[in-house]
Amino acid sequence: QKEVEQDPGPLSVPEGAIVSLNCTYSNSAFQYFMWYRQYSRKGPELLMYTYSSGNKEDGRFTAQVDKSSKYISLFIRDSQPSDSATYLCAMGIDRDSGAGSYQLTFGKGTKLSVIP
Amino acid sequence: DAGVIQSPRHEVTEMGQEVTLRCKPISGHNSLFWYRQTMMRGLELLIYFNNNVPIDDSGMPEDRFSAKMPNASFSTLKIQPSEPRDSAVYFCASSLYISPRKHVSANYGYTFGSGTRLTVV
Repeated sequence: QKEVEQDPGPLSVPEGAIVSLNCTYSNSAFQYFMWYRQYSRKGPELLMYTYSSGNKEDGRFTAQVDKSSKYISLFIRDSQPSDSATYLCAMGIDRDSGAGSYQLTFGKGTKLSVIP
Repeated sequence: DAGVIQSPRHEVTEMGQEVTLRCKPISGHNSLFWYRQTMMRGLELLIYFNNNVPIDDSGMPEDRFSAKMPNASFSTLKIQPSEPRDSAVYFCASSLYISPRKHVSANYGYTFGSGTRLTVV
């Protein structure tokens, strides 16, 4: 079983729809949860960041973390054609091992198309 | 800030040739990561550095791959000799690591460069 599972899609929705993107994970030690957005032929860019459980809202975007179910979600309200991209979830553990850094584990990404 | 800068943007080379990818991280960041992205495998971590020191290179596919970070503002990823299966997009990312014991609310996100699209024929 992979540490992070993400449905690759593709997911196609009409403009204005609510989009729900999800990831599941197996490692209960993950503490940091992020969503990255990657446009075609570009590098991923950080969209949302959450520490531990709970919700976080930023404009049309809401990130949810349910650590008891090992499940994270990203909701996009009033989706726009400019939201068309691949969305990657990422999770990390800070081992604070003295090595002075930490690693993120990424999902494979879900490709989203918002149709005008 | 210009962000993470990678060069070249595209590289086409013949099998057996040496390839060198370059990365300039964001000034002030203390961690640097090299990733490879393919459709089949997604983003794979190859190696990461903290304060210019390699911390974990367990993701490096084989001895043909090597990475260096001679100073805080420059890193290279070298493939010698290159093979067609090395064709992928290679990303460099940097971040500022602060132990949560010192700053619980720190943002641990990575900033990625635009990538180098490598094609080995």
